[in-house]
Amino acid sequence: GAVVSQHPSRVICKSGTSVKIECRSLDFQATTMFWYRQFPKQSLMLMATSNEGSKATYEQGVEKDKFLINHASLTLSTLTVTSAHPEDSSFYICSVQNPGESPLHFGNGTRLTVT
Amino acid sequence: GENVEQHPSTLSVQEGDSAVIKCTYSDSASNYFPWYKQELGKRPQLIIDIRSNVGEKKDQRIAVTLNKTAKHFSLHITETQPEDSAVYFCAGGDNFNKFYFGSGTKLNVKP
Repeated sequence: GAVVSQHPSRVICKSGTSVKIECRSLDFQATTMFWYRQFPKQSLMLMATSNEGSKATYEQGVEKDKFLINHASLTLSTLTVTSAHPEDSSFYICSVQNPGESPLHFGNGTRLTVT
Repeated sequence: GENVEQHPSTLSVQEGDSAVIKCTYSDSASNYFPWYKQELGKRPQLIIDIRSNVGEKKDQRIAVTLNKTAKHFSLHITETQPEDSAVYFCAGGDNFNKFYFGSGTKLNVKP
């Protein structure tokens, strides 16, 4: 069964609005979650590491004020794309790692389209 | 940080043939290398992984080899089937830390 639940699966929004994406770890408590972005026919690019109870760690080139991450509990991390623009249209996917184990478990992803 | 490179970007094989995808990594501290299969519009699914203390691992038709000295690892799929058609990603990283992905290989298995 699914280990990670991500919602919504698809969202269309107007330019300038904000969109929140939720990522839930269903089977275990996750102190760390990861957010990736994937443009069409491209690889998964790590955006940030979400840390429960502390600030997220962003990869170089990712604007922390534009992509707000909140990891308020051990099972939930949210990514908010603020003031979205058409170039933010992408496939956003979260992943979690069971502490003490290696594999990443991915959510189903969110297809964001900004018009 | 880690830099993972993957080749080829596309690979077309005849059903029953073997397919090989290669990756290199830059960070000698990386010790865990998973391979993911992603079908169109779906999440990546782990198909096999290898740790740096192992040189080779096999699971039925899928095998992965790792050369720590040269910092490269490869995915081998034997007796390919049309359902193997997908995009494959290699990744590298620390066991308990973030992973960096290769650019992906689109595998097309022709019936």
